[in-house]
Amino acid sequence: GAVVSQHPSRVICKSGTSVKIECRSLDFQATTMFWYRQFPKQSLMLMATSNEGSKATYEQGVEKDKFLINHASLTLSTLTVTSAHPEDSSFYICSVARQGNGNQPQHFGDGTRLSIL
Amino acid sequence: EDKVVQSPLSLVVHEGDTVTLNCSYEVTNFRSLLWYKQEKKAPTFLFMLTSSGIEKKSGRLSSILDKKELFSILNITATQTGDSAIYLCAVAGYPQGAQKLVFGQGTRLTINP
Repeated sequence: GAVVSQHPSRVICKSGTSVKIECRSLDFQATTMFWYRQFPKQSLMLMATSNEGSKATYEQGVEKDKFLINHASLTLSTLTVTSAHPEDSSFYICSVARQGNGNQPQHFGDGTRLSIL
Repeated sequence: EDKVVQSPLSLVVHEGDTVTLNCSYEVTNFRSLLWYKQEKKAPTFLFMLTSSGIEKKSGRLSSILDKKELFSILNITATQTGDSAIYLCAVAGYPQGAQKLVFGQGTRLTINP
């Protein structure tokens, strides 16, 4: 069965709207979750690492004020795209990895396709 | 800068053929190399490789890692149309804790009936 649940799967909205995407770990508690972005015909690019109970760690070039991450519980992380514009249109995917010795595969949610008009 | 390069970028074969997908990498503090299959939605996990020379196998799929040459291959034998997908190679380069993955560009595999 699914390890990660991501919601919503599709969003279409007007420019200037803020959009919240949820990522839930179903099988285990996750102190760390990851957010990726994938543009058409390109690979996944890590945006940020979401840490439960503390601030997210953003990759270089990713605006933290634009992409707000909240990891309020051990099973839920949210990504909010604030004041979205057409250039933010992309496929956003979260992932979780079971904690342990660090060598656990990441499991991905089904992704959210965001279209900003 | 950590880097993962996959080849070929695109491959079209007939059902029943065998294919080999390649992945080379440069990463500091190597932890593991992972293969994922991506169809219409998010990637699904195939293999995780940490040691050189040990083949991992799952049905018609197999994969092996060469840490000296910084290279991995993914083999698919007796391909079926359901194998059509983008195959992603990713490397985890964090020294400890939860992994940060660096992905290659992917190989788009098309299996024609």
